[in-house]
Amino acid sequence: EAQVTQNPRYLITVTGKKLTVTCSQNMNHEYMSWYRQDPGLGLRQIYYSMNVEVTDKGDVPEGYKVSRKEKRNFPLILESPSPNQTSLYFCASSSTAANSPLHFGNGTRLTVT
Amino acid sequence: SQQGEEDPQALSIQEGENATMNCSYKTSINNLQWYRQNSGRGLVHLILIRSNEREKHSGRLRVTLDTSKKSSSLLITASRAADTASYFCATRGATNKLIFGTGTLLAVQP
Repeated sequence: EAQVTQNPRYLITVTGKKLTVTCSQNMNHEYMSWYRQDPGLGLRQIYYSMNVEVTDKGDVPEGYKVSRKEKRNFPLILESPSPNQTSLYFCASSSTAANSPLHFGNGTRLTVT
Repeated sequence: SQQGEEDPQALSIQEGENATMNCSYKTSINNLQWYRQNSGRGLVHLILIRSNEREKHSGRLRVTLDTSKKSSSLLITASRAADTASYFCATRGATNKLIFGTGTLLAVQP
């Protein structure tokens, strides 16, 4: 089954403790992206990647890191989480064709205390 | 940077009625897409309309696009309780970046 898999689904952590949210897709998509979703703000893009070893900042990259060493994986790293990073996070992927839809993972709800 | 603005923010209707949601955007686009999100879950792609198209259908969904007014509408006919969800428009422009609006929360009462 074609899918984007994120883990974990829920994560509660403390300020400053490094964490990684994993994302994997099995559709051989070139493009992958991370979003955060907050009430009243919609989805905001954190980072995206057009292909292996190619990453770029989105609209809200501060406090986040990503890597794209393999085509299928695109982990999101929070080196020193802070409470304002409490949010619902989504990974998404697509082919790079202009009319390709995004395929989303089921989300990771992160709480930083 | 928000491109799409959905209207209304929330909509409550009875099962069997039609639901109409609107999306306005600011800059020229290559295509406009609609997504559905069930509570707390990932977004699911519903339909895409290209900038040179005016109307598109998919099952009970009908999407229109008016590029002169920079607006789109999503019509769900004969709504069901299972249609209860948030609906987002997303626009893709010259940069190929997909920008999402803030969504319309639709509640269909059985």
